[in-house]
Amino acid sequence: EDQVTQSPEALRLQEGESSSLNCSYTVSGLRGLFWYRQDPGKGPEFLFTLYSAGEEKEKERLKATLTKKESFLHITAPKPEDSATYLCASMGYNKLIFGAGTRLAVHP
Amino acid sequence: KAGVTQTPRYLIKTRGQQVTLSCSPISGHRSVSWYQQTPGQGLQFLFEYFSETQRNKGNFPGRFSGRQFSNSRSEMNVSTLELGDSALYLCASRGTANNEQFFGPGTRLTVL
Repeated sequence: EDQVTQSPEALRLQEGESSSLNCSYTVSGLRGLFWYRQDPGKGPEFLFTLYSAGEEKEKERLKATLTKKESFLHITAPKPEDSATYLCASMGYNKLIFGAGTRLAVHP
Repeated sequence: KAGVTQTPRYLIKTRGQQVTLSCSPISGHRSVSWYQQTPGQGLQFLFEYFSETQRNKGNFPGRFSGRQFSNSRSEMNVSTLELGDSALYLCASRGTANNEQFFGPGTRLTVL
């Protein structure tokens, strides 16, 4: 059965303290690994898509990487405005399967 | 380019009633997917429509249904509402160039 697991559930960082979020996936016929950011009461905001092992993408303080079983979202020198829930999702046949998310809180 | 829009943004209904939610995808996108988000279950796939045809369906009861119009706008209907249907309902649209899905702001449904 296709499954996506994210860890940790919650993460508290000091401003400037770099860290990584983990996403483990099992899906037959992966057609993309997606990262989204979601703020309270809002829809998920698209961040990255990764399609093959070894692929990396960057956007400001965020960098996403992909292996055959995991994806990591690295956050470098985070700021308080990076506080949000980060969702990972794999795409099998035409549907996204989401993990439960990591709630990130960055304190000044 | 305008993003995905959903109406209404908030809705309060009572048990047994039915509700219809609307989604307008990004211009040019022909695929629309619906998701339910709750604190306990997270984001769960409901169904996907492409060119007015349901292409995929999640594990939800038949009370949940949808349709898509020729202009790609989509509606989702929930009949005989239950308390457990209270959730944020999200719509996502996808173009044909890749698999990236872009979400709307959601409709917050509260069932009393």
